[in-house]
Amino acid sequence: AQSVAQPEDQVNVAEGNPLTVKCTYSVSGNPYLFWYVQYPNRGLQFLLKYITGDNLVKGSYGFEAEFNKSQTSFHLKKPSALVSDSALYFCAVRGGGSARQLTFGSGTQLTVLP
Amino acid sequence: DTAVSQTPKYLVTQMGNDKSIKCEQNLGHDTMYWYKQDSKKFLKIMFSYNNKELIINETVPNRFSPKSPDKAHLNLHINSLELGDSAVYFCASSPITNTIYFGEGSWLTVV
Repeated sequence: AQSVAQPEDQVNVAEGNPLTVKCTYSVSGNPYLFWYVQYPNRGLQFLLKYITGDNLVKGSYGFEAEFNKSQTSFHLKKPSALVSDSALYFCAVRGGGSARQLTFGSGTQLTVLP
Repeated sequence: DTAVSQTPKYLVTQMGNDKSIKCEQNLGHDTMYWYKQDSKKFLKIMFSYNNKELIINETVPNRFSPKSPDKAHLNLHINSLELGDSAVYFCASSPITNTIYFGEGSWLTVV
């Protein structure tokens, strides 16, 4: 069975500072890893994904994530946080092959303080 | 030109009623999904269809019945609604083994 852990329910960071939202995963085979963002009363918006290739993946709105196979992690990062980045962030994993099911972490509420 | 659209966005209904949520995607994807987000924001897959065929059916009460008339539509019908069914229901779609795109959600409140 595949699973995702987001160890922090809440992350607070000052505007302009770098931010990191942590994610670790467990899956059989090669992982397909995703980050989504959810603003209040909205759907999930795709930010970025790792399928294969370069371990550092760049996505929307200046976000990036680093795949670390040995630590089974896929932390989301941004060099300089904006107040508008405040939202709920979800990490998700799906196994390779025919498995299409996307398993989500419990979400991390990011608050960027002005 | 919304990619994954679902209606209604908000639905308030009484216990025991039957309701449907409709979903359509114009991305040409083969696979569609229904996810449920509970009050703690936890997301869990309910169903997945590929080319109108059911491929994932998680442990969901049989009061919930998905229907896929074609590969661009996946509707969710719920019978005999219960208070615990109150949640946000997300429709989504994807090409095979690739990024899943979500609709804006349907907020269901059972009173």
